[in-house]
Amino acid sequence: SQKIEQNSEALNIQEGKTATLTCNYTNYSPAYLQWYRQDPGRGPVFLLLIRENEKEKRKERLKVTFDTTLKQSLFHITASQPADSATYLCALDGDNFNKFYFGSGTKLNVKP
Amino acid sequence: NAGVTQTPKFRVLKTGQSMTLLCAQDMNHEYMYWYRQDPGMGLRLIHYSVGEGTTAKGEVPDGYNVSRLKKQNFLLGLESAAPSQTSVYFCASSRTGHTNEQFFGPGTRLTVL
Repeated sequence: SQKIEQNSEALNIQEGKTATLTCNYTNYSPAYLQWYRQDPGRGPVFLLLIRENEKEKRKERLKVTFDTTLKQSLFHITASQPADSATYLCALDGDNFNKFYFGSGTKLNVKP
Repeated sequence: NAGVTQTPKFRVLKTGQSMTLLCAQDMNHEYMYWYRQDPGMGLRLIHYSVGEGTTAKGEVPDGYNVSRLKKQNFLLGLESAAPSQTSVYFCASSRTGHTNEQFFGPGTRLTVL
């Protein structure tokens, strides 16, 4: 069956360090992968989209990689700040391009 | 622009009661989605619509119905609520499908007793 795995344990890092979050998937062949940020009590907010033929995408302090051989995406936040503390979700398009499948998210805590 | 709005924000139902959740978007988006989010489960797609008058099933459609009579509105109905439908419900919209970002509403917290 199709599965998307994100580390369920919270990631705790010190301010200024680089946070790296992982999204692994099985039994998918996504053409697109997206990352979202979700704060408590709010809906997810879109951050980045990467296509299967793109190895890397950057936006300000954010960087996403997409390795279709490893079936993995890495999400990096450089020079992390306490305001980056949130849950980060990855989402993949499935066998039907109209559908999205989300991972359960990883909570990031950035300590001052 | 209000973006995506959801009504109501909170609701408590008794088993067997019915209700409708309303989602509205003012961005002229074609695609709209209903998700539920449960602890440790992530977001799961219930139903979606690729345009006015269309609807399609997602991952977990049982027990829910939807309608998209107007482009800006997407309604989610529970005909006979069950405790298993206790969840946070999010509506989202996007300009087109998987190549575009989804804009999410603030969510509706539903408790079924």
